[in-house]
Amino acid sequence: DGGITQSPKYLFRKEGQNVTLSCEQNLNHDAMYWYRQDPGQGLRLIYYSQIVNDFQKGDIAEGYSVSREKKESFPLTVTSAQKNPTAFYLCASRASSITEAFFGQGTRLTVV
Amino acid sequence: RKEVEQDPGPFNVPEGATVAFNCTYSNSASQSFFWYRQDCRKEPKLLMSVYSSGNEDGRFTAQLNRASQYISLLIRDSKLSDSATYLCVVNPLREYGNKLVFGAGTILRVKS
Repeated sequence: DGGITQSPKYLFRKEGQNVTLSCEQNLNHDAMYWYRQDPGQGLRLIYYSQIVNDFQKGDIAEGYSVSREKKESFPLTVTSAQKNPTAFYLCASRASSITEAFFGQGTRLTVV
Repeated sequence: RKEVEQDPGPFNVPEGATVAFNCTYSNSASQSFFWYRQDCRKEPKLLMSVYSSGNEDGRFTAQLNRASQYISLLIRDSKLSDSATYLCVVNPLREYGNKLVFGAGTILRVKS
C-alpha cells in the first residue's frame, strides 16, 4: 500500500535532549513538509523540501533541523534549542503544486 | 494579517441543518485551494479540492471567489459524523513554490 509513515507515534524527551522524528513515503512525491500543531490551534510550517538535497525554512524553523538525502525520507530533529517542543508533529507529502497533500498519522512529542 | 483566516467557531448545528464556512486568503496569486477535515487527535484528511468553477461532492459544495479572495464550504443535511475541524488550505505562489498554508480551522459540532 502506498502511503506516508511517521514513527514513533508517541515520543518522550528529557530536557536538553535532541530527538529525531521519522517520516517515510512510498508515493514517489517530490515535496515533503513538516508541521507542528499545538492544542486547539492550526498547523504551522516548520520546514519543507521540494526535491532531494534541498529544503527551506518554514514559519517556525528555530530549534529544528531536517535532511532530505533520499526522496522517500524527510526526518525532523527537534534540538535542545527548541524551548517548547511538546506538540503534535505532522509530516506530509505531495506530488505537485496543484495536488493535495497526504499526511502521516503524526508523532506526539512530550517533554518530561 | 494572516495568510489564511477562518472563523474558529464552534458552529453548533442540529442534524439535518445546512452550514457554511468561509475562508479568506491574502495572496492574490494563490494557485490551489483545498478543504481538509481533521478529527480530534488525528491527522488532517482531504475533504475536497476547490476549483475555479466550484465543485460538489455529495452533500459538500466548495466555491472559490478569486476577486474577493475567499473560498467557501457548504455542508447540507449535516450528520453527526460531520463533527470535526475543517481546515482551509491555500498554496500561495512564491519564488520558491509549493508552500501549503493552513488556516487555524473551524470547529463544527452536529447535535442530535
